Amino acid sequence: DGGITQSPKYLFRKEGQNVTLSCEQNLNHDAMYWYRQDPGQGLRLIYYSQIVNDFQKGDIAEGYSVSREKKESFPLTVTSAQKNPTAFYLCASSTRRRDDGYTFGSGTRLTVV
Amino acid sequence: QKEVEQNSGPLSVPEGAIASLNCTYSDRVSQSFFWYRQYSGKSPELIMSIYSNGDKEDGRFTAQLNKASQYVSLLIRDSQPSDSATYLCAVFSGGYNKLIFGAGTRLAVHP
Repeated sequence: DGGITQSPKYLFRKEGQNVTLSCEQNLNHDAMYWYRQDPGQGLRLIYYSQIVNDFQKGDIAEGYSVSREKKESFPLTVTSAQKNPTAFYLCASSTRRRDDGYTFGSGTRLTVV
Repeated sequence: QKEVEQNSGPLSVPEGAIASLNCTYSDRVSQSFFWYRQYSGKSPELIMSIYSNGDKEDGRFTAQLNKASQYVSLLIRDSQPSDSATYLCAVFSGGYNKLIFGAGTRLAVHP
């Protein structure tokens, strides 16, 4: 079955450490997205990519970086510059059809220790 | 950035009742609208999409769209405790070429 795989499910980061969250899709979707969700709050867009080798900042890109070297993969790096990284991170993908909506992965819960 | 607004709730309904969830949006040129369900600790799941004025029914779910009033709603008939979740409204912004999400409404269905 096609879908989006995020790994790991849980991740612990030490102060000053960079960590990378993986997102892989086999839906043949062109666009991919990274969202952050804090407890009791909505989704905030970090970065998105409409095509390979191209990506745009979302609303809260500071302290994060991404790459899109392959259509299937869109990893997110949480750098030490992100001062409050503890959150639930969601990766999503979509076709170019506007009425298809987004398909989400199962998420990665990042905690600073 | 255009906004999508939802009442945060919680909306509490008895089992078997109709739950009515509402959403307003500010971008007049929006053409596509979506409802997602998110259980606690899980990722959002697409349950309905609508892009024409009127009603769209799928099982116990009915989405309603009124573009003139910039209003979209989700009705859940015969509500079950398993429907207890947060419901996210999302609107496709042509200008930004991406979905804009509301903060979600928490629904609690009690036996």
